[in-house]
Amino acid sequence: DGGITQSPKYLFRKEGQNVTLSCEQNLNHDAMYWYRQDPGQGLRLIYYSQIVNDFQKGDIAEGYSVSREKKESFPLTVTSAQKNPTAFYLCASSVTTGEGRNQPQHFGDGTRLSIL
Amino acid sequence: GEDVEQSLFLSVREGDSSVINCTYTDSSSTYLYWYKQEPGAGLQLLTYIFSNMDMKQDQRLTVLLNKKDKHLSLRIADTQTGDSAIYFCAERMAGYALNFGKGTSLLVTP
Repeated sequence: DGGITQSPKYLFRKEGQNVTLSCEQNLNHDAMYWYRQDPGQGLRLIYYSQIVNDFQKGDIAEGYSVSREKKESFPLTVTSAQKNPTAFYLCASSVTTGEGRNQPQHFGDGTRLSIL
Repeated sequence: GEDVEQSLFLSVREGDSSVINCTYTDSSSTYLYWYKQEPGAGLQLLTYIFSNMDMKQDQRLTVLLNKKDKHLSLRIADTQTGDSAIYFCAERMAGYALNFGKGTSLLVTP
């Protein structure tokens, strides 16, 4: 079945460490997104990518980095510069060309990151 | 971006209708979305509406759009306990990203 796979489901980080969250999609979608969700908050956009080898900062990109070397994959690295990384991270993808460009985003099941 | 506004909580009895309201920010938004999130899970798309429509109905779900007031609502008919979740309103921004509200927690009591 087509979909978006995020791994791991739970992740623990020691202070000062970088960690990488995986997001893979087999929907053949052009665009991919990373959102952060905090309790009682909506989703805030971290980074997005509309095409391979290109990405843009969202509203809260500081302390995060991404890469888009393959259409299917959009990993997010939470660096030690992110001072409050404990949150639920959601990856999404969507079509951006032709008739599909107005289609909604599809979401993975999320990764919950906690600081030890 | 600017805030999409939603009320934080709504409680209804099983079998009643639920109405969740949302005020969005950009009058030029072409698409508006409703997503559902169950505990510990990702977001599930419920429905969406194009800005040239006033209403869209899909089984138990009815979406109403008032472009003049930038107001969007989601009505769930015959609400069931399985409808208990957080519901997010979102507007489409430039670059295809979505601007989300903080979500409305719907509690359905027997």
